[in-house]
Amino acid sequence: TQLLEQSPQFLSIQEGENLTVYCNSSSVFSSLQWYRQEPGEGPVLLVTVVTGGEVKKLKRLTFQFGDARKDSSLHITAAQPGDTGLYLCAGAFRGNTGKLIFGQGTTLQVKP
Amino acid sequence: GAVVSQHPSRVICKSGTSVKIECRSLDFQATTMFWYRQFPKQSLMLMATSNEGSKATYEQGVEKDKFLINHASLTLSTLTVTSAHPEDSSFYICSARDFGLTNYGYTFGSGTRLTVV
Repeated sequence: TQLLEQSPQFLSIQEGENLTVYCNSSSVFSSLQWYRQEPGEGPVLLVTVVTGGEVKKLKRLTFQFGDARKDSSLHITAAQPGDTGLYLCAGAFRGNTGKLIFGQGTTLQVKP
Repeated sequence: GAVVSQHPSRVICKSGTSVKIECRSLDFQATTMFWYRQFPKQSLMLMATSNEGSKATYEQGVEKDKFLINHASLTLSTLTVTSAHPEDSSFYICSARDFGLTNYGYTFGSGTRLTVV
């Protein structure tokens, strides 16, 4: 059974601070995705990483995929109250018929 | 882009009744759809993989007789919660994969809030 360990699960910071969320597995991902979810809605895709060592940027968000494709991180620079929400990593594993497994999620609160 | 429509968005039912949730891929064909369950302030937990024209594959611990999945066409999968009880109250989300997309595109529905009273 493939598992994703996501940390931290809760994060409360002040506006302007930086933060990093981690996602780790003992198995190799064929692809890994980061989502953001608002209450009462489905998750919305932020980014997909596929290649080991890959770095992608989305405005103040930086996503990294580990060289071994077993871990990933999301870094937010100068967090704003609008960044508040639930962030989820989700991985597709080789030979897993394409199903997407989610980490535990990180609830981020950015205080003004 | 790929759109997945999930219906209803909210449903309240009495204990012991059954509820059907629909998941439709609007502009692409989905041979595979996924059903997730999410409790408050928790992540999405995969319940089952729905395969068009064949039986669904359930994750360990998910009762197949409780959560009936039907995927009769390339654009529609349904989840029926049978003999619902209050502990079945949850947020149910479906997802479909559009293999035509290059971003390994999993598209999610907007979810169904089920409340069993």
